[in-house]
Amino acid sequence: TQLLEQSPQFLSIQEGENLTVYCNSSSVFSSLQWYRQEPGEGPVLLVTVVTGGEVKKLKRLTFQFGDARKDSSLHITAAQPGDTGLYLCAGDGSGSNYKLTFGKGTLLTVNP
Amino acid sequence: DTGVSQNPRHKITKRGQNVTFRCDPISEHNRLYWYRQTLGQGPEFLTYFQNEAQLEKSRLLSDRFSAERPKGSFSTLEIQRTEQGDSAMYLCASSRTSGRHQETQYFGPGTRLLVL
Repeated sequence: TQLLEQSPQFLSIQEGENLTVYCNSSSVFSSLQWYRQEPGEGPVLLVTVVTGGEVKKLKRLTFQFGDARKDSSLHITAAQPGDTGLYLCAGDGSGSNYKLTFGKGTLLTVNP
Repeated sequence: DTGVSQNPRHKITKRGQNVTFRCDPISEHNRLYWYRQTLGQGPEFLTYFQNEAQLEKSRLLSDRFSAERPKGSFSTLEIQRTEQGDSAMYLCASSRTSGRHQETQYFGPGTRLLVL
């Protein structure tokens, strides 16, 4: 069974601060996605990383995929209240079904 | 907007009743997935279809759960004899797959079920 562990589980920071969220596994993933979910809504895709060592930037968000494709991180620079939400990482494992294995998520609160 | 849609958005039912949810995927997406998300957890895979064929079911999907995708377009998820433990957000996602290449899964807004 492939498991993804996210840390921290909860994070409350002030506007303007930087933060990093981690997603770790003992399994190798073909690709890894980061989603953001707001209360009562479905997850919205932020980025997909597929190559070991890959770094992708989305405005103030920087995503990194580990060299061994077992872990990933999300770094947010100068957080804003609009960044508040549940950040989920999801791995696309081996096999042909492409079902996603999700971590439990990091609940981020950015206070004004 | 041609995103994934789900209906109803909310459902409150009494224990023992049957409920059915509908998912309309993004047009021309051949794969459709159902996930369940409980409070404080990430989504968990339930089942998926490629076109009209149901190709895998999770052990989470008990005999009371059944899913269909009769024409390879929309899908329904039915829960019979609901139990309080079925209370959760039920999420649908769709993607396009061609051979060994799959595009990203796009999620709908979910159906939140509360069983009293």
